[in-house]
Amino acid sequence: DAGVTQSPTHLIKTRGQHVTLRCSPISGHKSVSWYQQVLGQGPQFIFQYYEKEERGRGNFPDRFSARQFPNYSSELNVNALLLGDSALYLCASSQPDPGQQFFGPGTRLTVL
Amino acid sequence: GQQVMQIPQYQHVQEGEDFTTYCNSSTTLSNIQWYKQRPGGHPVFLIQLVKSGEVKKQKRLTFQFGEAKKNSSLHITATQTTDVGTYFCAGPRSGYALNFGKGTSLLVTP
Repeated sequence: DAGVTQSPTHLIKTRGQHVTLRCSPISGHKSVSWYQQVLGQGPQFIFQYYEKEERGRGNFPDRFSARQFPNYSSELNVNALLLGDSALYLCASSQPDPGQQFFGPGTRLTVL
Repeated sequence: GQQVMQIPQYQHVQEGEDFTTYCNSSTTLSNIQWYKQRPGGHPVFLIQLVKSGEVKKQKRLTFQFGEAKKNSSLHITATQTTDVGTYFCAGPRSGYALNFGKGTSLLVTP
């Protein structure tokens, strides 16, 4: 079975631009979560979606938004990029019961 | 809100030495999970502990959940170079997402 997939793998943007990151969960998983991981830190929770509804939001500004599609794939959008948005963006899928998160390989975003 | 703290931040050991990382939560946890992230990789699930005082073993790794369900530890016996990476503990937040600690980075020298 395929794991969680994310695209693109790497991305370079300049300040003020907009970015869209994509995630496909493991087949059968209806919950998708997004995390931001800055170098040397643990993953920080951004959003969680379950059955296309937002179930949770971390302490991130309104420049960050996300959505989940009928096939349970998800997009994370970040507007007006700042240098501090440079990070590894991780997507994780899970079963409905709170349990292990299956992480994708991440998207490395660099903002210049 | 809930905070999960880990110590130490870094640990450098010689191959064959033991290693322990500790995790403390500001609130009681319903469960705690441990993940390993290799350099350049993504977090990979190791284990979930649910019961107060629970101890689980995976080969050379021993995981403990405190009696008060506010702390946990991971102990590696006789480290190997394949153990290199960052170990994170994580507690549940609302929904099915997680609050991660900052992790303990383990370096093993042959």
